[in-house]
Amino acid sequence: AQKITQTQPGMFVQEKEAVTLDCTYDTSDPSYGLFWYKQPSSGEMIFLIYQGSYDQQNATEGRYSLNFQKARKSANLVISASQLGDSAMYFCAMRERGTNAGKSTFGDGTTLTVKP
Amino acid sequence: KAGVTQTPRYLIKTRGQQVTLSCSPISGHRSVSWYQQTPGQGLQFLFEYFSETQRNKGNFPGRFSGRQFSNSRSEMNVSTLELGDSALYLCASSSGASASTDTQYFGPGTRLTVL
Repeated sequence: AQKITQTQPGMFVQEKEAVTLDCTYDTSDPSYGLFWYKQPSSGEMIFLIYQGSYDQQNATEGRYSLNFQKARKSANLVISASQLGDSAMYFCAMRERGTNAGKSTFGDGTTLTVKP
Repeated sequence: KAGVTQTPRYLIKTRGQQVTLSCSPISGHRSVSWYQQTPGQGLQFLFEYFSETQRNKGNFPGRFSGRQFSNSRSEMNVSTLELGDSALYLCASSSGASASTDTQYFGPGTRLTVL
């Protein structure tokens, strides 16, 4: 089974509107971290936001917020007030301990296109 | 602080050759991980080094190897290149303090083309 699932290959949003990118995960480790990255066409992976498994509150970073629903094992990224520069590929990733220590496991990504 | 740097940014090689890619982590970071990104396979973990020791390794053939130096800089080497090795190779650094909560910061990547 995939550890990180992003079910939306592509998403469109109108400029200035909010958009939610979905991510579900699977792990048996009680201590894990969830991350979102943005990858523009240039290729560099840009860190956006982090949520720890023990964090009680949803993480926020500027226009980015993470809707963390632990029981449902979901960690959706919400981008408010979309801008044209937000057009990019977005990846959800998870870090765990044990045999997966030291690596991030990534989903297949969601391509977001912001329309003017 | 300077970010993660990778050299070279672009590389063209022919089948059978070998290649060495370099990564300099963020100052103070002791963990360096390498990933291969292709359109078909997505992002796949190659290996992770911490304090000059390989701590974890992905499912790649032995042609892929790496090392880390005492200043935390890392290199990865691919020998006997195959067409399928064409990919974007990304290096990521983190403090190494926690396997599950450390944020990995990525470099710009090296785009390798094998002809």
